[in-house]
Amino acid sequence: NAGVMQNPRHLVRRRGQEARLRCSPMKGHSHVYWYRQLPEEGLKFMVYLQKENIIDESGMPKERFSAEFPKEGPSILRIQQVVRGDSAAYFCASSRDISGNTIYFGEGSWLTVV
Amino acid sequence: GQQLNQSPQSMFIQEGEDVSMNCTSSSIFNTWLWYKQDPGEGPVLLIALYKAGELTSNGRLTAQFGITRKDSFLNISASIPSDVGIYFCAGQSGAGSYQLTFGKGTKLSVIP
Repeated sequence: NAGVMQNPRHLVRRRGQEARLRCSPMKGHSHVYWYRQLPEEGLKFMVYLQKENIIDESGMPKERFSAEFPKEGPSILRIQQVVRGDSAAYFCASSRDISGNTIYFGEGSWLTVV
Repeated sequence: GQQLNQSPQSMFIQEGEDVSMNCTSSSIFNTWLWYKQDPGEGPVLLIALYKAGELTSNGRLTAQFGITRKDSFLNISASIPSDVGIYFCAGQSGAGSYQLTFGKGTKLSVIP
């Protein structure tokens, strides 16, 4: 669990600002996943990326949300023009291959929109 | 989309008691996973189940993959205070499938 590094751990943004969440996968892992957890809910899949490619973004809201995993550097989840409903915990996970049982989650980034 | 119904939503138990929670689904899953999440932390994998009928233990935890592949349960024996947290089930629908579908969690409180 500790191997997937997320930052910031806590982020406060005013409505209309941008939020950028970063994720460094575990060493040797090239598959990155982002999940969102609303209060009192389970995690919901957002997007799956490999280096320089978005493989599946079926869980991402169509507007304001984007994700990337560049050749160098961490994966970034970007939320533009945040609204109160974006307040949630955003979890990054990584795996060495495509297999749910080897997915390891980071400690999360808690976004609060005021 | 696929949904998992997890119950109970919350439990208050005395230290030393056994605990049981379960997940059911309207669709078939090929893998069932159980996670624990502590406040302010990410989920940590407890047990993974890969075959219908499989019963797997991890210390005081035991989980089973239902025969119909539409349900799973998790038992915790002789609970201790550090068992407090939220337990999530998650299903994975097929080989090579990367998406996990999570239940809403069971919040466990242990009274010393």
